[in-house]
Amino acid sequence: SQQGEEDPQALSIQEGENATMNCSYKTSINNLQWYRQNSGRGLVHLILIRSNEREKHSGRLRVTLDTSKKSSSLLITASRAADTASYFCATDGGNTPLVFGKGTRLSVIA
Amino acid sequence: DTAVSQTPKYLVTQMGNDKSIKCEQNLGHDTMYWYKQDSKKFLKIMFSYNNKELIINETVPNRFSPKSPDKAHLNLHINSLELGDSAVYFCASSRDLLAGGELFFGEGSRLTVL
Repeated sequence: SQQGEEDPQALSIQEGENATMNCSYKTSINNLQWYRQNSGRGLVHLILIRSNEREKHSGRLRVTLDTSKKSSSLLITASRAADTASYFCATDGGNTPLVFGKGTRLSVIA
Repeated sequence: DTAVSQTPKYLVTQMGNDKSIKCEQNLGHDTMYWYKQDSKKFLKIMFSYNNKELIINETVPNRFSPKSPDKAHLNLHINSLELGDSAVYFCASSRDLLAGGELFFGEGSRLTVL
């Protein structure tokens, strides 16, 4: 069954702006991961945040996790045209495959 | 070197035919998966294999039969193809199911059933 729900479904911003995507999930998790999918390509892992972590950074990416609200956010700072892609959150409940949300389509306009 | 490779990348076939998609990973991972991505980009787990053993079958019709000859390969055979089988099928691998780590995906195989 579907676990993560990304919000918004689609986001269009200008290059240089920040992009924020949100993910909500239903059941308890061991960790939450974010993936990027360029058009016509496979998914690529971006960042993993464990259930006992609240914030994590990787380059221009910042992920937060609020387990009390069962939600996570992905912030991409100073976006570039190359960031145009679909972004998916995926939850790991432990001993089960990752369950993915429907994704947010990000368009960064140069 | 491609970590997870799947073939073919595109497959166009008629209803009722049987087709196979192959997947290989050179990462030394124990666990491999098949995911199906529909036209709305929703990604759904189909199967999970750990060390050649089937561990997850998510209510997939028995027309779909995965086969893992060794832990580096997980192939997907589909019998009697239906229009609704049209989708992109992704193979993925992870170190092991219990590790809770990242998945490495192949580039996908786009199946179109006419």
